[in-house]
Amino acid sequence: DAGITQSPRYKITETGRQVTLMCHQTWSHSYMFWYRQDLGHGLRLIYYSAAADITDKGEVPDGYVVSRSKTENFPLTLESATRSQTSVYFCASSRTSGTSYEQYFGPGTRLTVT
Amino acid sequence: KNQVEQSPQSLIILEGKNCTLQCNYTVSPFSNLRWYKQDTGRGPVSLTIMTFSENTKSNGRYTATLDADTKQSSLHITASQLSDSASYICVVSVRGSSNTGKLIFGQGTTLQVKP
Repeated sequence: DAGITQSPRYKITETGRQVTLMCHQTWSHSYMFWYRQDLGHGLRLIYYSAAADITDKGEVPDGYVVSRSKTENFPLTLESATRSQTSVYFCASSRTSGTSYEQYFGPGTRLTVT
Repeated sequence: KNQVEQSPQSLIILEGKNCTLQCNYTVSPFSNLRWYKQDTGRGPVSLTIMTFSENTKSNGRYTATLDADTKQSSLHITASQLSDSASYICVVSVRGSSNTGKLIFGQGTTLQVKP
């Protein structure tokens, strides 16, 4: 049971390049999320998805694009990477809606933009 | 503004000792409060989730308390082990927001357990 996986685990890219971070979950969870984690901040929500083909913005969506053509995949694309997007990115998923849901996090992708 | 503040920012204790981490929140309307453990280089893993009506919940050597009146929570770790070295994150959920990602994350307390 793989759970939720992210790839790559580490990525170095240059300013202005496009980069895509992958997230895959094997639980068939409806909801998926992308967060970034930076020193001095708690995790901040970038985008989330309630189901395939349904996505919505979170707290810090600027500079990011998401898609969800299949329930199990939720890629995050930085269309033109900037140094301020250097961060650790976490994907998460949850089974249902409601405020008592449990979110399960992936192992993270450490992205460095030079 | 919805906020979650944790203290201390970091903590060093000796193996076998107990410790308590604090969380204060100004989140409204409140739904539930959860504590996560995040090992270095890994994603957060849930330890406990407490609703408004629960004031204590345990998970092995971890015991979380919640005082909804004062908007405070604590995480008590008993008989610490080296494997408890991690960051502990307090997260408060906003009521009525469905699953729209209305989780307010604290910055975490970094715990180091030394032999």
